[in-house]
Amino acid sequence: KQEVTQIPAALSVPEGENLVLNCSFTDSAIYNLQWFRQDPGKGLTSLLLIQSSQREQTSGRLNASLDKSSGRSTLYIAASQPGDSATYLCAVRLGSGNTGKLIFGQGTTLQVKP
Amino acid sequence: NAGVTQTPKFRVLKTGQSMTLLCAQDMNHEYMYWYRQDPGMGLRLIHYSVGEGTTAKGEVPDGYNVSRLKKQNFLLGLESAAPSQTSVYFCASSYRLAGTGRETQYFGPGTRLLVL
Repeated sequence: KQEVTQIPAALSVPEGENLVLNCSFTDSAIYNLQWFRQDPGKGLTSLLLIQSSQREQTSGRLNASLDKSSGRSTLYIAASQPGDSATYLCAVRLGSGNTGKLIFGQGTTLQVKP
Repeated sequence: NAGVTQTPKFRVLKTGQSMTLLCAQDMNHEYMYWYRQDPGMGLRLIHYSVGEGTTAKGEVPDGYNVSRLKKQNFLLGLESAAPSQTSVYFCASSYRLAGTGRETQYFGPGTRLLVL
């Protein structure tokens, strides 16, 4: 059974710091991996999606990497800002025949202090 | 374009009561999903649908039923609510990009349900 783990559960950093969020999964047979952002009381917004054949994806100050063989992904946030404060969730999609079913990690709650 | 909307935003039920949560999307997406989010457990898939008239069980389907009579709507029903169903419920919809299999799920704002 696929399990997704995110460490740490919470992180507090000063503004301007570069930071890395970690995601690990137990079964390397994934179709893709996504990173989401969730603001308090809100739904999820997709940030980056990495297909299983890719190693990384970049969007602005965000960079996500994927090492399928070791079952790990990282989300790198450069020059963090208070507006980055949110919960970040990673999710893996099982094989292509599993119609978009996502397995989520528990999330990392990030606080960026001014 | 409203995206994915959920009704109601918040509800309090007594044990044994029933209710239906409504999810609507205006993006003509084929796939729709219901998740629940509990503290420290991330999101877990309850039921999903790959098209109008079809539904399937997810990871935690017990105690819930769903229907997809119209492509744009996905209903989640609780026939006899239990305190263990206190949670935040999220609906999502998606489409698959032809030829790539690439799929991004768009989430609604959530429904907070408290069962006393």
